Amino acid sequence: GQQLNQSPQSMFIQEGEDVSMNCTSSSIFNTWLWYKQEPGEGPVLLIALYKAGELTSNGRLTAQFGITRKDSFLNISASIPSDVGIYFCAGRRGGSEKLVFGKGTKLTVNP
Amino acid sequence: DVKVTQSSRYLVKRTGEKVFLECVQDMDHENMFWYRQDPGLGLRLIYFSYDVKMKEKGDIPEGYSVSREKKERFSLILESASTNQTSMYLCASRPRTGSKNIQYFGAGTRLSVL
Repeated sequence: GQQLNQSPQSMFIQEGEDVSMNCTSSSIFNTWLWYKQEPGEGPVLLIALYKAGELTSNGRLTAQFGITRKDSFLNISASIPSDVGIYFCAGRRGGSEKLVFGKGTKLTVNP
Repeated sequence: DVKVTQSSRYLVKRTGEKVFLECVQDMDHENMFWYRQDPGLGLRLIYFSYDVKMKEKGDIPEGYSVSREKKERFSLILESASTNQTSMYLCASRPRTGSKNIQYFGAGTRLSVL
């Protein structure tokens, strides 16, 4: 099945730094979702985006639905150690019941 | 809060055993999904169900079957477990397609087949 192109695959950063990751697709999506997964747990939804150009924040996290509807970005500002985990993007096409996932960005934050 | 509960966090089974993974959601969602997650491969859809007694194959259904006898419960069955089915299994649920239909995940079941 199709997967989204998510980058980078991993990031090693210092506490306090800002983080950026993105997902791209060759197809148009109607919904973009960003999840975080901590070790040994299931993914937890961070932000949901429903309209092209939409910019949504959740605390230090900000995500954008790309204008072309083929990409999305997640930014984390002033990272802290508890931000560590794997961040996944997911997209849904109109009329489809299934989500398409990126392979994840593994974030490590050094105190 | 939506709750998706997977009956076991960890399971160890032997090759050839029949294995049941259970998932229950408490929000009356129509859609339920089973994924497996492996390092480097991301989440791969095994089966999904959009209503009671309805099921559709996902991307990797071979070696698995599912059961949806009640709306709140979706079971994944490994008819004869094999070592290549050692993985993290994630259940998810979501309302039927519509605006703001967010998909929620359970905590996962880590299955080891020896």
